[in-house]
Order: sequence, then structure tokens, then C-alpha cells
Amino acid sequence: GAVVSQHPSWVICKSGTSVKIECRSLDFQATTMFWYRQFPKQSLMLMATSNEGSKATYEQGVEKDKFLINHASLTLSTLTVTSAHPEDSSFYICSAPWREDSYEQYFGPGTRLTVT
Amino acid sequence: GEDVEQSLFLSVREGDSSVINCTYTDSSSTYLYWYKQEPGAGLQLLTYIFSNMDMKQDQRLTVLLNKKDKHLSLRIADTQTGDSAIYFCAESIYNTDKLIFGTGTRLQVFP
Repeated sequence: GAVVSQHPSWVICKSGTSVKIECRSLDFQATTMFWYRQFPKQSLMLMATSNEGSKATYEQGVEKDKFLINHASLTLSTLTVTSAHPEDSSFYICSAPWREDSYEQYFGPGTRLTVT
Repeated sequence: GEDVEQSLFLSVREGDSSVINCTYTDSSSTYLYWYKQEPGAGLQLLTYIFSNMDMKQDQRLTVLLNKKDKHLSLRIADTQTGDSAIYFCAESIYNTDKLIFGTGTRLQVFP
């Protein structure tokens, strides 16, 4: 199946700093990618839709200035958590449909963010 | 709005069948999915079913869909210890690639 990678897999940062998480489609191009957040022992919550070449679409309740998304190429989307706080600590997962009309989505392995 | 519910926990003996249930609310969903998540890892697509089907079998996995009751189930035959994980059902939002995930069911398989 298609492969989606994330980098880093684990990051610790101090409160007030920003951290960037990368999501790459390794063997296919993705005009759309999705970012999810997962709290411990909870489900995944869709945060935003990353659109190549245009602005991301955020779900209700997600602060767009807090979670900056850039989809600069057909294989890369980045999520930057700005001015991180401990409550931003979570598992962030990206996904991408492997082609535009596909019903199959492939998920990255996730990035665990810990803000101290 | 969309809401997808699952029972939180299931424990089965190795070799038995496991049945994980899911209820959803969006009747316009095109596809429904089952994903597996092992500790600290991302999600692995196990199987999916198109909304106009009522059953799909894929090796040890059987998916049943009752569209009238908005009920989806995943049956794992001959459950193995390697099947221990969290299982999420998900529904697609009509005309988008967005997925709404269930609350997840933790499956524990004991010898």
C-alpha cells in the first residue's frame, strides 16, 4: 500500500516555542492531506484539511493561528504548533488519500508532541 | 452532527472470534472503515465497506453493515494475540475525504 511518513516521530519542546511536524507521501502525490489529533486513550479528531497550493480548511474550534498548515508541494504538508503550551501535548497524525477519487486513506505513523 | 460510537473494551480468548460493534449517525456516508492502531503507532487500514453493501469478507475479517440501524460490525475469526490493539471504525463525510472516527475499542486477546 501507499506510504505516508511523519517527522519527527517524537518531540519535546518548551512552553512558548514553536514546533514543526512534517507529513510526506512517499510514493504518491497528494493534493489533499488531513491532520488529526489524538489524546491519550481517545479517538482521533480531525483538525484541518491541508490543500496543496491553497489555504488549509480548519474544523470548527481549531485555532488557525495556533496550528499553521502549509502544503507547499504535492508530497509535503507541514503542521506548525505555534507558542506551544502543555495542553497542546498530544499525538498528531496525518493522512492522505492515495489518489483524488480514492476511498483509501493512508495514515502516517504519528508524531508525539510533549510540551514542558 | 456526526457521531460514531463504539464499546470501549473487548477481551477474548485466543482462537475465539471477536466482534467489535460501531454505530454511526450520518446516513449519507459513502464508505465505512475499520482501522487498527497498535500502541504508539499510526493507523492501519484493515478493511472498508461501501454503503450499498451489507457484508464484506476479507480472510479472517467479516464486516457487516446494517444501514437501516446505522450499525457496523467487525468480526475477527480465530483471534490471535497479535490482534490485540485498538480498533476504530470511521465513516466518510459525504462528498469529501474527511473521516469521522469512532471512540475506539481496545481488544485484548489472552492465551
